[in-house]
This record gives sequence, C-alpha cells and structure tokens, in this order.
Amino acid sequence: EIVMTQSPATLSVSPGERATLSCRASQSVSSNLAWYQQKPGQAPRLLIYGASTRATGIPARFSGSGSGTEFTLTISSLQSEDFAVYYCQQYNTFGQGTKLEIK
Amino acid sequence: QVQLVQSGAEVKKPGASVKVSCKASGYTFTSYGISWVRQAPGQGLEWMGWISAYNGNTNYAQKLQGRVTMTTDTSTSTAYMELRSLRSDDTAVYYCARELDYGEGYFQHWGQGTLVTVSS
Repeated sequence: EIVMTQSPATLSVSPGERATLSCRASQSVSSNLAWYQQKPGQAPRLLIYGASTRATGIPARFSGSGSGTEFTLTISSLQSEDFAVYYCQQYNTFGQGTKLEIK
Repeated sequence: QVQLVQSGAEVKKPGASVKVSCKASGYTFTSYGISWVRQAPGQGLEWMGWISAYNGNTNYAQKLQGRVTMTTDTSTSTAYMELRSLRSDDTAVYYCARELDYGEGYFQHWGQGTLVTVSS
C-alpha cells in the first residue's frame, strides 16, 4: 500500500506571501496525484489533479508540480480565504494533511 | 449543475449497521463512479471504496472488507454505503464523491457529508 506523507503538519504564513506544501509518496505514483483544500465544516474541494492541472474555477495562484514520489503545492500570494487544511491524494490514499494558518 | 445530496445524521449503537444515501443530479449517473470517503472528528480523510454506477463493480478499502457494501440504484440516481458491525471508531462524517472522469480517482464533486455517531 502506498503511503502519502505531507510536510509540514502546520505552516504559518502571512497574507500576501508564498506558501509551499510538500507531499511524498512511498513509491512512484507517476503524475497520479491530486490536492484538495478543506475548510472547517465543509467538504474537501479539488484544487489540482494530474499533479499540475488546476481544476475548474481554481485561481491561478494555486499551482502543483512534481512527479514520481515528490510533489509540491504552491500558493503564490496568500489570500485570507486560503487558510485551510490541504490534503494530497493518490487514488485510494490521502496524506495526513497540512494546516495552513495565518502568521 | 452537479449535486450530490446525502441523507441525514445517524446515531447508532455499537454492533448495529448504518446505510447512507447519496442522491445525484445534474449529470448522467451511469457515466461516473462514486467513491465514499470518511473523516473522523479532527482527523484526516480516509478513502473507503468506489463503485461504478455503470456496472456496479466495486473496490473496497482492505481494512473495511467484509463490513462495507456499496450499491447504486440507477432508477433514482442514488448511491448507497452500508457499514455493518459498527464500532466507536466508525464515528465520522461520511462523504460521497463523484470522480472527475470515469475510473480516474480524482474527486471533483462532493456531497455535504453525513455524520454517523456510534455510541452506546
């Protein structure tokens, strides 16, 4: 079973700054990786799929990169609505999440 | 627009079963699969399994094999998830999610979630 490991567990960033979140797979998943955003009391929202393709309606400040075992989600200029928990996912496995909080 | 509307919250005793429904609208139901994902209080996301609304094929998480059954009713565009022999650690919000494309494993559309509480 593939294990997805996200780092850091919590990331403190100021509004307007860049945030970089990481996800590592225990074995190669090629580009079969997605990123989700979840706010309290809400269902997750698909941000990125295929490692780097933005889902419909997702702002351009969100970008994904990587392949194989190392992946990155970058938010170029944090807006207030971006503070949330982010999960990476490879088909049937989710990472444990990174909480992005206001510094 | 695509909508997934789930049934309401449930409270169950240990050892009981629960069946959660997920009614789909806004797309051709049989053209996509539905996955179920759960989230225990304050915890992360856990994939439970997938069902093809086209032919009923299923793929369950190994840890839930034997306790979970996913079905669909194409006449009402509704997916169901039944979990048996409930334990306290099954307390969670249960989500249904429609994939982006058939069999692709990315979850584009989500239900609102159903809280299942297991308590004696």
